Amino acid sequence: GQSLEQPSEVTAVEGAIVQINCTYQTSGFYGLSWYQQHDGGAPTFLSYNALDGLEETGRFSSFLSRSDSYGYLLLQELQMKDSASYFCAVRDPGGAQKLVFGQGTRLTINP
Amino acid sequence: EAGVTQFPSHSVIEKGQTVTLRCDPISGHDNLYWYRRVMGKEIKFLLHFVKESKQDESGMPNNRFLAERTGGTYSTLKVQPAELEDSGVYFCASKTSGKHEQFFGPGTRLTVL
Repeated sequence: GQSLEQPSEVTAVEGAIVQINCTYQTSGFYGLSWYQQHDGGAPTFLSYNALDGLEETGRFSSFLSRSDSYGYLLLQELQMKDSASYFCAVRDPGGAQKLVFGQGTRLTINP
Repeated sequence: EAGVTQFPSHSVIEKGQTVTLRCDPISGHDNLYWYRRVMGKEIKFLLHFVKESKQDESGMPNNRFLAERTGGTYSTLKVQPAELEDSGVYFCASKTSGKHEQFFGPGTRLTVL
């Protein structure tokens, strides 16, 4: 089976940098994804790492270490609009390519 | 390009009633998924369609849940009869084959009283 662990809550201040960690246990690995969800909204794809290293997209970066079964999402120059829930997810190795999610990290940005 | 849409956005029903949720995927997306998030827990997979065919329904909780995808376009998820533990947010997602990213709808918040 697949399972993922991530912190339930993180608080930061506007303009700062925050890192949301995710560790996973999988029977096969096909990449780690990150999704953002604002209250009442749709989970929105942020990034996907299949190989080790850092992927940067604007203010957001995602890192993966397959040997450590670990990844993180790094958010820089935090803005109030970044307050949301962030989910890490792995792709199930089965043919459905379904996503298995962590419980989500609630990020609160304070002024 | 229009995104994934879901209807209704909210539904409040009593235990024992029937509810049908609808999902319209992005046009041209063969793959359609249903997920559910219960009470702040993780988002969990329910089932997967490729066009009109169910490929994987291993996540469906029990036989009170029935999903269809007519003509390989929109999909419905019926809960009959609804139980209290069915309350949660039901998400639909779609993607094209060969691509990784799944596009999610805003979800239907189901409350069973």
